Amino acid sequence: EPEVTQTPSHQVTQMGQEVILRCVPISNHLYFYWYRQILGQKVEFLVSFYNNEISEKSEIFDDQFSVERPDGSNFTLKIRSTKLEDSAMYFCATRTEYTDTQYFGPGTRLTVL
Amino acid sequence: DAKTTQPPSMDCAEGRAANLPCNHSTISGNEYVYWYRQIHSQGPQYIIHGLKNNETNEMASLIITEDRKSSTLILPHATLRDTAVYYCIVRVPFRKNYGGSQGNLIFGKGTKLSVKP
Repeated sequence: EPEVTQTPSHQVTQMGQEVILRCVPISNHLYFYWYRQILGQKVEFLVSFYNNEISEKSEIFDDQFSVERPDGSNFTLKIRSTKLEDSAMYFCATRTEYTDTQYFGPGTRLTVL
Repeated sequence: DAKTTQPPSMDCAEGRAANLPCNHSTISGNEYVYWYRQIHSQGPQYIIHGLKNNETNEMASLIITEDRKSSTLILPHATLRDTAVYYCIVRVPFRKNYGGSQGNLIFGKGTKLSVKP
């Protein structure tokens, strides 16, 4: 069964550094999402992306965050200058245009020191 | 999206049915009930969804009351691998040509189901 994949599985970075988290969607999925989950807390929506532009974003998704689909396959989340409070699991999710079901990747654990 | 209420935790014996309740008394007529689960530290996994009729798939059954104010997710023969946090989400499904929300999910705290041997 096709799966959403994410790399890296774990990223450790210093505060103030830039990080790029990568997601490979399931083939033929056109809607992409990023969510995050701070340890012990709820899964929170960050941003949705369709047709090469942001469709919706939450208040968490400020100017430090950006998303793009640089090569037609990968879907990336960039954090420009990481803060300690960005430490979390980041999940990518994708879906087709015909169903509402979102398929989540295994996540990237980001640790900011 | 309508608010949901779930018990914070439940236990179930392995091999028995797990019945997970969800209250959604403010659900509106065009909102569906979705269930996802999250096994420890993994990405959430879709289980099932429904509008008003009971639904069944290879993973679970969904029973929605006639007034649609509550529902129950049933795992007919729970295994240790079903230990997870189960989320009940009520929302209007995205329809491509209707615009509006792109379907982002709003997760609550869910029910932590512990399946015990």
